[in-house]
Amino acid sequence: EAGVVQSPRYKIIEKKQPVAFWCNPISGHNTLYWYLQNLGQGPELLIRYENEEAVDDSQLPKDRFSAERLKGVDSTLKIQPAELGDSAVYLCASSLQGQETQYFGPGTRLLVL
Amino acid sequence: GIQVEQSPPDLILQEGANSTLRCNFSDSVNNLQWFHQNPWGQLINLFYIPSGTKQNGRLSATTVATERYSLLYISSSQTTDSGVYFCAVDEYGNKLVFGAGTILRVKS
Repeated sequence: EAGVVQSPRYKIIEKKQPVAFWCNPISGHNTLYWYLQNLGQGPELLIRYENEEAVDDSQLPKDRFSAERLKGVDSTLKIQPAELGDSAVYLCASSLQGQETQYFGPGTRLLVL
Repeated sequence: GIQVEQSPPDLILQEGANSTLRCNFSDSVNNLQWFHQNPWGQLINLFYIPSGTKQNGRLSATTVATERYSLLYISSSQTTDSGVYFCAVDEYGNKLVFGAGTILRVKS
C-alpha cells in the first residue's frame, strides 16, 4: 500500500513569490492534515480536513495561506506571497476517520530567499 | 492550550545501550502517540498509547494518564534508531500537539 505522497520534496523561491504544495493521502483515508515544522521543533497543525470540509483551520494564517481539498482526496496548500519566515518543512498526514493513528508523508522542504 | 515537555532534549548512546525518553503533559488527554523522525525527515508512528503499556520489538511505551506522563523505552539501541523522537497529545478532536522532541544519536 502506498504511503502519503507529497510533492515537490524541495522548493526554493524568492520572497513575495507564490508557492504550492500537493498531497495525496493514503487510499481510503478521509481525514487529511497539513502541518508546519520549523527547524528544531515539532510539527504544528495548520489545517485538518474531514473529506472535503476544513473542520479545523484555526492555526492557518489566512492572510497568505490557503488550502483546498477538492473531491475529498488530494489537497493543495498555497502560500501567496511567501515571506522569509515561511521557510520550513510542510508535512501532510492522513488517517481513517475515527482512527487515531496519523500517517505522515515525507514533507516538502521550503526555502524562501 | 495543552503543554508537552520532553526530556532529555539530547541523548547520545553507544550501540547496544538502553534508554528511556520521557513526555510530560499538562492536562488530561484522550490520545498520545510516539513518533520517530529519521534523519531524512520521515515521521513514523511508533505507538498510539493514551494509557497502559505496549511493546513492539525493542521498543516499548508506558503512559500513566493519571500522572500525566509517558515513557518510551529503547533497548539494545542500534544506529538506525538515531533521529528525533516526538511525543504528541490530543485533548480532543484529533488535534495533535507535539513536544519539541528528543534528539537521539546512537554511535557504533
